[in-house]
Amino acid sequence: GESVGLHLPTLSVQEGDNSIINCAYSNSASDYFIWYKQESGKGPQFIIDIRSNMDKRQGQRVTVLLNKTVKHLSLQIAATQPGDSAVYFCAENDYKLSFGAGTTVTVRA
Amino acid sequence: DTAVSQTPKYLVTQMGNDKSIKCEQNLGHDTMYWYKQDSKKFLKIMFSYNNKELIINETVPNRFSPKSPDKAHLNLHINSLELGDSAVYFCASSLTRNPGNEQFFGPGTRLTVL
Repeated sequence: GESVGLHLPTLSVQEGDNSIINCAYSNSASDYFIWYKQESGKGPQFIIDIRSNMDKRQGQRVTVLLNKTVKHLSLQIAATQPGDSAVYFCAENDYKLSFGAGTTVTVRA
Repeated sequence: DTAVSQTPKYLVTQMGNDKSIKCEQNLGHDTMYWYKQDSKKFLKIMFSYNNKELIINETVPNRFSPKSPDKAHLNLHINSLELGDSAVYFCASSLTRNPGNEQFFGPGTRLTVL
């Protein structure tokens, strides 16, 4: 089976609110995790990554949290905008990129 | 300029046919990949090439044959197409085969087998 998964397949969020997308992984040896965003009709696009020696990393409006104890990863998007509507994937990368199933985020105006 | 490009964007064909999808990257990367995304959006790696050499083959049926004429190109040929091959196929590239390198994805090729 796959080693990376997401808790919820869909998330609806009001524009301006914060979004939290969750992901669980099973391989405790994983040491590198990435979040990708896939807009409709396009390929996945890198958002942010984190290594296992960190528990938090911030980018522009995005924060990734890593909890190695429970093997959980989350992506927080601040002040969600209509352009954030997309499918979000977490992935782990050891020798290959293994993706979870994706969470579809819909932003309500 | 498009970093990773694929042709065609859409491909509709009959069962049993043979088809090819082409991929080119102008980023100067050493490593290229093919991924398959099914109707449920699940994305799975198929192959990876590093400097024209196959380094990952994820138990893909041998009807699928990747070819890398040079490190900027990775084409995917599929023989005897089946209904289950219908999916979106993404090409990607990264600077090196180091797992820490970001992968850049192409726009995808939607293959429909009738």
